[in-house]
Amino acid sequence: RKEVEQDPGPFNVPEGATVAFNCTYSNSASQSFFWYRQDCRKEPKLLMSVYSSGNEDGRFTAQLNRASQYISLLIRDSKLSDSATYLCVVNKRDDKIIFGKGTRLHILP
Amino acid sequence: SQTIHQWPATLVQPVGSPLSLECTVEGTSNPNLYWYRQAAGRGLQLLFYSVGIGQISSEVPQNLSASRPQDRQFILSSKKLLLSDSGFYLCAWSVQRNEKLFFGSGTQLSVL
Repeated sequence: RKEVEQDPGPFNVPEGATVAFNCTYSNSASQSFFWYRQDCRKEPKLLMSVYSSGNEDGRFTAQLNRASQYISLLIRDSKLSDSATYLCVVNKRDDKIIFGKGTRLHILP
Repeated sequence: SQTIHQWPATLVQPVGSPLSLECTVEGTSNPNLYWYRQAAGRGLQLLFYSVGIGQISSEVPQNLSASRPQDRQFILSSKKLLLSDSGFYLCAWSVQRNEKLFFGSGTQLSVL
């Protein structure tokens, strides 16, 4: 099983719709979780951290399910500018950070 | 506020030529520094990380090396580039090791 797995997509979603995608991780000792956004030929940018209790930032909601070892990202009222690749990041303190290969999202007008 | 600078943005080099990519961080002291490579259509691969001046850890044996001559300066080098060295190189920093990473704008390297 890969350390961090994501559906590569692409997810083609009409503008205004809600979209969600998951990321599974294999190391149950993982402690920190993040979602990054990466535009084509640009650097990844931190979108949000993922906390055990779940957290929300505007239209974005992140959740962690430790029992099933996955994190999720929900985007409500999607905008054209949300089109990007979303990277899941998992780490265990003092160990390597593991990046998923990303999920491509295309918001359609 | 903290900023990270990475240059050049694009680079085209012939096989066998040397390489030097530089990254500097401003607005913080003793950052953890990282070099990643992202090949086309693939995930981010950690190449090197550094927790302090002169302290470099290599994750993957390869044709590249890294140095940290100053607290906020991280350099990626090669004596002779290979075709397989082509990719998108990203420098990053964090306050604590392996916590939130903040990336530079990246260098697209094409080895021909």
